[in-house]
Amino acid sequence: NAGVMQNPRHLVRRRGQEARLRCSPMKGHSHVYWYRQLPEEGLKFMVYLQKENIIDESGMPKERFSAEFPKEGPSILRIQQVVRGDSAAYFCASSPPGIADTQYFGPGTRLTVL
Amino acid sequence: TQLLEQSPQFLSIQEGENLTVYCNSSSVFSSLQWYRQEPGEGPVLLVTVVTGGEVKKLKRLTFQFGDARKDSSLHITAAQPGDTGLYLCAPHSAGNNRKLIWGLGTSLAVNP
Repeated sequence: NAGVMQNPRHLVRRRGQEARLRCSPMKGHSHVYWYRQLPEEGLKFMVYLQKENIIDESGMPKERFSAEFPKEGPSILRIQQVVRGDSAAYFCASSPPGIADTQYFGPGTRLTVL
Repeated sequence: TQLLEQSPQFLSIQEGENLTVYCNSSSVFSSLQWYRQEPGEGPVLLVTVVTGGEVKKLKRLTFQFGDARKDSSLHITAAQPGDTGLYLCAPHSAGNNRKLIWGLGTSLAVNP
C-alpha cells in the first residue's frame, strides 16, 4: 500500500513564474491537507480538501495561492507569480474518511524561488 | 487560539541515555498524535493516543496521554543515533474541523 506521494520533490522557479505541486493521497483516503514549513518554524496549516470540495482554507494566503482536489487525479497546490518568500517545504497529508485526526504525510516538495 | 508548548526545544544526549520530552497545553484534546521528522522528509506518524491516562509503547518509546487530556509525554529508553530527529506532537480538538495543532517540536540529537 503506497504512502502519500508528492511530486516534484524539488522545484526551482524564478520570481513571477507559477509553481504546481501535486499530491496523491494514500489509497482509500478522501481527505487531503496542505502544510507549509519554513526553516526553524513549525508546520503551518494551509488548506483542507475533500474530493471536489474545499473544506477549510483558513491558512491559505488570500492572493496567488489556490488548491484543488478533483474527482480524478491528484490534489494540486498552485502558486502563481511566485516570490522569494514562497520558498519553503510544502507537505501534503491524507486521512481516511471517518477518522478525523490521523494524518499521514508525504515526503514534501521543496520549492526554491530564485 | 490554542497554544501548544513542547519542551525542551533542543536536546543533545549520548547514545544509551534515557530522555523525556513534553507536550503541554491548557486546552483539552480529543486525541493526540506524535510524529518524528527527519531532515528533508515529511513527518512520520508514531502513535495516536485517545484516552486520558493512556500509555502506549513502541519498542523503546513510551507515550503517555495526561489524565485530563491536556498534555502528553514521550520517553525514550537507551536512545540510539537512529532516534535523532524532530519530535512533534499534534493534538486534535473535537469540533476543530479535523485540523491538528502543531508545536515547534523537540529537536533531538543522539550522539554515538
